[in-house]
Order: sequence, then structure tokens, then C-alpha cells
Amino acid sequence: DTTVKQNPRYKLARVGKPVNLICSQTMNHDTMYWYQKKPNQAPKLLLFYYDKILNREADTFEKFQSSRPNNSFCSLYIGSAGLEYSAMYLCASSRLGPSYEQYFGPGTRLTVL
Amino acid sequence: GQQVQQSPASLVLQEGENAELQCNFSSTATRLQWFYQHPGGRLVSLFYNPSGTKHTGRLTSTTVTNERRSSLHISSSQTTDSGTYFCAPNQGGSAKLIFGEGTKLTVSS
Repeated sequence: DTTVKQNPRYKLARVGKPVNLICSQTMNHDTMYWYQKKPNQAPKLLLFYYDKILNREADTFEKFQSSRPNNSFCSLYIGSAGLEYSAMYLCASSRLGPSYEQYFGPGTRLTVL
Repeated sequence: GQQVQQSPASLVLQEGENAELQCNFSSTATRLQWFYQHPGGRLVSLFYNPSGTKHTGRLTSTTVTNERRSSLHISSSQTTDSGTYFCAPNQGGSAKLIFGEGTKLTVSS
């Protein structure tokens, strides 16, 4: 089973309110990723967990938080949503190493009003 | 860092025509994936192909590692092939995939 699941699939949030997105995988992958995808743009890596070690991209360091309570689950947290956070959020997982494929979930479409 | 160029940016075909999508990248990659983005936004991995040639159905991916380029060939295109195709090599030996800007393919009947 190469399924990555994401919840919710659609999220409506108010400006200034927190948002929490959930991802799960049952492939026992040690690495989980979060990407942001806006229309007509390339997916942008926000952060990834290798085991329990969080790696955040420099330009999104302060905007997103994440937690990984166990190997299967990973969350993406926005403390105070702004209009610019409206996007598709894609979760992926893989085994760590130089030559392992990333498997993507269906995404959560976040709309901030 | 890794720079990825995809060409063409957009492509319009008649059903039945073949498509050739190109991906060039600036530094060595040990991972490379081709993705198709559904109209609803989901990314589907078409190929994991850091080197060599792979086939599935009407799709063929060829990566020439030492020339830092990859291609995706779609034969006998169908309207259902319409969408955006992304190439994503990794950066050095890291886990981080760097996505190109994509090729938007439109196939009309």
C-alpha cells in the first residue's frame, strides 16, 4: 500500500485564525514532507521530518510549524492564517536515502477569507 | 542550488499526436521524479527515474544523468492527458526535490 492520506481535503479558515492539517502514511517511511502549491506555480517545499528531526526551509521558517507524534502521522500548523496562505498543501513521504521515491497525498485545499 | 528548466512551458496537441517534454537541471541529481497534476490539484508520480529509460503504457521517461537532463514522451496523446507535468530532481544527495515550473499540456479532440 503506497497511500498517503490527508485531512481535511478542504479547509476554510478566517484571517488570523489557526489552521492544523494532518497527514498519515502506513508505509513506515522515515521521512515526511509538506509542500505548498499555488496555481500556476511549482510546488514549494516547506519542511520535512526525518524521523523526529524537523528541517524547515529558511524562507518559511517562521510561518509554519509541524509535529510528528509518531512515525505514521505528521501535522502542519499555521498559527495565524493570512490571505497569502490560501493554497493546496501536499504531504509526501519516502524513505531517506539518495534514491527513494516520494509518494504524495491528495492534498488539502486551504482557503483563507 | 539546483535549478530546473522545463520546456516547453505549454503545448497544444491534437489527439493522437506525440508529445516530448524536456527537463534540464543544473547540478547532479540522485533522485528524479516526473509528476502529473490532476485538474483538481493532486500530484501523481508518473516515474521515479534518476537514470536510464522507463516505460509505462504510452509514457516513456529517459534520464541522461551525466548530461543533467530528462525527457517525458507521451505517444498517441489523448484528451485525458491534458494537465500539467512537473519534473523534480533532488538537490545533491538530499531528500529535497526541486520542482520545475511545469509544462501545461492541452490535448484537443
